Amino acid sequence: EPEVTQTPSHQVTQMGQEVILRCVPISNHLYFYWYRQILGQKVEFLVSFYNNEISEKSEIFDDQFSVERPDGSNFTLKIRSTKLEDSAMYFCASDPPGQSSYEQYFGPGTRLTVT
Amino acid sequence: AQRVTQPEKLLSVFKGAPVELKCNYSYSGSPELFWYVQYSRQRLQLLLRHISRESIKGFTADLNKGETSFHLKKPFAQEEDSAMYYCALANAGKSTFGDGTTLTVKP
Repeated sequence: EPEVTQTPSHQVTQMGQEVILRCVPISNHLYFYWYRQILGQKVEFLVSFYNNEISEKSEIFDDQFSVERPDGSNFTLKIRSTKLEDSAMYFCASDPPGQSSYEQYFGPGTRLTVT
Repeated sequence: AQRVTQPEKLLSVFKGAPVELKCNYSYSGSPELFWYVQYSRQRLQLLLRHISRESIKGFTADLNKGETSFHLKKPFAQEEDSAMYYCALANAGKSTFGDGTTLTVKP
């Protein structure tokens, strides 16, 4: 069964550095998402992406964040200048076309640690 | 604004006992509701969606629009049901998750 994949599984970076988190959604899916989960807290929506543009974003998704689908398969989340509070698990998700839309398939997550 | 509330952070039952994980939501339109499960060291995966009205792994959930609830139930809990359960409300573009309930099923 196809799965959403994410790389790396764990990323350690210094405050102020840029990081790029990578995701490969399931190939025939059309909507793509990023969520984050700070340790011990709930899963929080960051951004959704459809038809090569941002569909919706939360208040968390400020100018430090950007998303891109550079080559038709990868879906990336970039944090320009990381802060300590960006340390979290970042999940990518995608959902299929058709009536079962909004049923999201999640990747295993990337644990980002900002020191 | 859409909101999902899972009032119980932790829930512990004995094997074979019934279990109910509570979920209440707040949304002005017609909600699409889901339950996701996260087993230890695994990814979030879809367990149930209200539109399909199916039973997965013995779990069911009924949408009650009057009470704005979507509680997850299982008549006889198994040890392998121990996991984190998230209720989520989706509309075009995003899903809003509850805080999650950690279910522990004791032998």
